[in-house]
Amino acid sequence: AQKITQTQPGMFVQEKEAVTLDCTYDTSDPSYGLFWYKQPSSGEMIFLIYQGSYDQQNATEGRYSLNFQKARKSANLVISASQLGDSAMYFCAMREGTGNQFYFGTGTSLTVIP
Amino acid sequence: NAGVTQTPKFQVLKTGQSMTLQCAQDMNHNSMYWYRQDPGMGLRLIYYSASEGTTDKGEVPNGYNVSRLNKREFSLRLESAAPSQTSVYFCASSEFRGDSPLHFGNGTRLTVT
Repeated sequence: AQKITQTQPGMFVQEKEAVTLDCTYDTSDPSYGLFWYKQPSSGEMIFLIYQGSYDQQNATEGRYSLNFQKARKSANLVISASQLGDSAMYFCAMREGTGNQFYFGTGTSLTVIP
Repeated sequence: NAGVTQTPKFQVLKTGQSMTLQCAQDMNHNSMYWYRQDPGMGLRLIYYSASEGTTDKGEVPNGYNVSRLNKREFSLRLESAAPSQTSVYFCASSEFRGDSPLHFGNGTRLTVT
């Protein structure tokens, strides 16, 4: 079974609008971390935001926030006030407990329309 | 502050040739990783090293070998390249702590003809 599932291969959003990128995960470990990365067309991987399984509040980092629904095993990334520079691939990843492996989804390509 | 440095940036090989991808990090991280990225498949783990002196197979280890030379350096070797190994390769490092993210190098684009 896939550990991380991203069901949206491509998304479009109007500039200045908010957009939600979906991520669901599968683990039986009660302790885990969820990470989002951005990959612009230049190719580098940029860490955006982290959510721990025991965190009581949803993580936020500037215009990025994480809609964490533990019971549904979802960790959706919300980008507010989209900018043209947000056009990129976005990857969701999970790290279980004290394990060393990171599991990645297949990514969502976001295009911001002027 | 270099972070994770991997070389080369681009490489073209003929089938059967060998090469080593180099990776070094200056963040004093214990754990290092090699991923490959293919269209529509996300990032798949080839090998990782939890600490100096240890290496473990990931999801797609066949056709690759690794060496954790010291705490800073983790190399990936293709002994006999195949066209199926055409991909973008990323090295990454992390602290051995649950909330520590992966820090990536800029990637190596490898083409095997």
